[in-house]
Amino acid sequence: AQTVTQSQPEMSVQEAETVTLSCTYDTSESDYYLFWYKQPPSRQMILVIRQEAYKQQNATENRFSVNFQKAAKSFSLKISDSQLGDAAMYFCAYRNTSGTYKYIFGTGTRLKVLA
Amino acid sequence: DGGITQSPKYLFRKEGQNVTLSCEQNLNHDAMYWYRQDPGQGLRLIYYSQIVNDFQKGDIAEGYSVSREKKESFPLTVTSAQKNPTAFYLCASSIGIHRETQYFGPGTRLLVL
Repeated sequence: AQTVTQSQPEMSVQEAETVTLSCTYDTSESDYYLFWYKQPPSRQMILVIRQEAYKQQNATENRFSVNFQKAAKSFSLKISDSQLGDAAMYFCAYRNTSGTYKYIFGTGTRLKVLA
Repeated sequence: DGGITQSPKYLFRKEGQNVTLSCEQNLNHDAMYWYRQDPGQGLRLIYYSQIVNDFQKGDIAEGYSVSREKKESFPLTVTSAQKNPTAFYLCASSIGIHRETQYFGPGTRLLVL
């Protein structure tokens, strides 16, 4: 069975600095999707970035980028030029491309942004 | 504006009572999902539906029921058989079951009186 692990329950970053959130996963599949979702205090889940496993190029969305290491089964999120609005829970998620279509979520990392 | 709405925002359940959480989407998505979120845990899948009149159990379906009579709507009933219903419930949808990106509603907080 697939698993997703986020080993950092909480992280802090100074405003305008860069922070990296870690995520590792376990799967025997060769093709899958990986996601980072943000959950602000409003608690609505917002898609930050996604990565297709068959793509070697790391995904980037403005200040957010990932470091996808397929062999190591690692999928970290880098937030550059951190802003106060980035403060939230961040969840890493995995999804197969076939079979069951459910997401498997990690337990989340709470990011605090210090002014 | 297209999106997913959930109501109510807060819901209180008495012991032995069934309650229904509403989820509506106007994104024309075929697939819809219900997740439960507990403190310190990630989201866990309760039920999902690929198309109208079809739904499948997720990992924690016991004590819950769903229906999918319309494409836009996927209500979740928390039955009296669910002994620990206090949680945050999130509804999501995707264009189709094969499309990987899910979009989430704002959630419903269920509390037991």
